[in-house]
Amino acid sequence: KAGVTQTPRYLIKTRGQQVTLSCSPISGHRSVSWYQQTPGQGLQFLFEYFSETQRNKGNFPGRFSGRQFSNSRSEMNVSTLELGDSALYLCASRNPGTGYGYTFGSGTRLTVV
Amino acid sequence: AQKVTQAQTEISVVEKEDVTLDCVYETRDTTYYLFWYKQPPSGELVFLIRRNSFDEQNEISGRYSWNFQKSTSSFNFTITASQVVDSAVYFCALGGNQAGTALIFGKGTTLSVSS
Repeated sequence: KAGVTQTPRYLIKTRGQQVTLSCSPISGHRSVSWYQQTPGQGLQFLFEYFSETQRNKGNFPGRFSGRQFSNSRSEMNVSTLELGDSALYLCASRNPGTGYGYTFGSGTRLTVV
Repeated sequence: AQKVTQAQTEISVVEKEDVTLDCVYETRDTTYYLFWYKQPPSGELVFLIRRNSFDEQNEISGRYSWNFQKSTSSFNFTITASQVVDSAVYFCALGGNQAGTALIFGKGTTLSVSS
C-alpha cells in the first residue's frame, strides 16, 4: 500500500510569509502527527491529530497550527515565518491502540530567507 | 519527564566491523514502546523496530540485533558486519500506544561506514 505522502518536498519562503504543508497518511490510518527536525534541536513533536481532533501539542508557539480532514489527510500551517522555522518537517501516520508504530513520510524541507 | 539519550554523537567504522549504538531512556510510564529509526541522507525516517515494555526478548533481524534491558533502561542496537549502506543517522525513540502520545527522540547517532 502507498506510504505517507508529504507535499511539497521543498519550499522556500520569505520571513513574515505563511506556509501550508500537506500530509496524506497511509490508507486506513486515522492518526497523523507532525515533527520538526533542526540541527540544533533535533526531532521535536509539534502535534498529533486523531479523528479530526488535535490530541496533543508540543511546545511550539501559536504560529504553528494544523488540522485534519475527514479523510485523515492533515495540513500544517506556520504563520509569520521566522528564520528559525527553517527545518525538515516530517509527518507520521499510525493507528493508535493497534500496537503498530509510526510510519514517516519523506518530509518537507522548508527554508525561510 | 520522558527522555531518550543517545550518548554517541558520531561513530566511524570500517566495513565488516560490528558496531553497537546505545540508547538510554527515562519514563515513569509502565506501558511504553521503544523504537529505532534510520535516517538516510534523503531525510525519510525508516522504521527498524518497535518493542513494547513488556517484551524484553532480544531480537535479531539479519545483521541487526536489539538488546532491551528494563533494569538499566537501555535499548541498544547492534549492526553485525557493517556495510557502507548502513551509513546514516540512527534515532532511538520512546512513545506510547494511545492517541496523543508523542514520540520522544534521542539526538541521534551518525554512523559512517567506510570501505
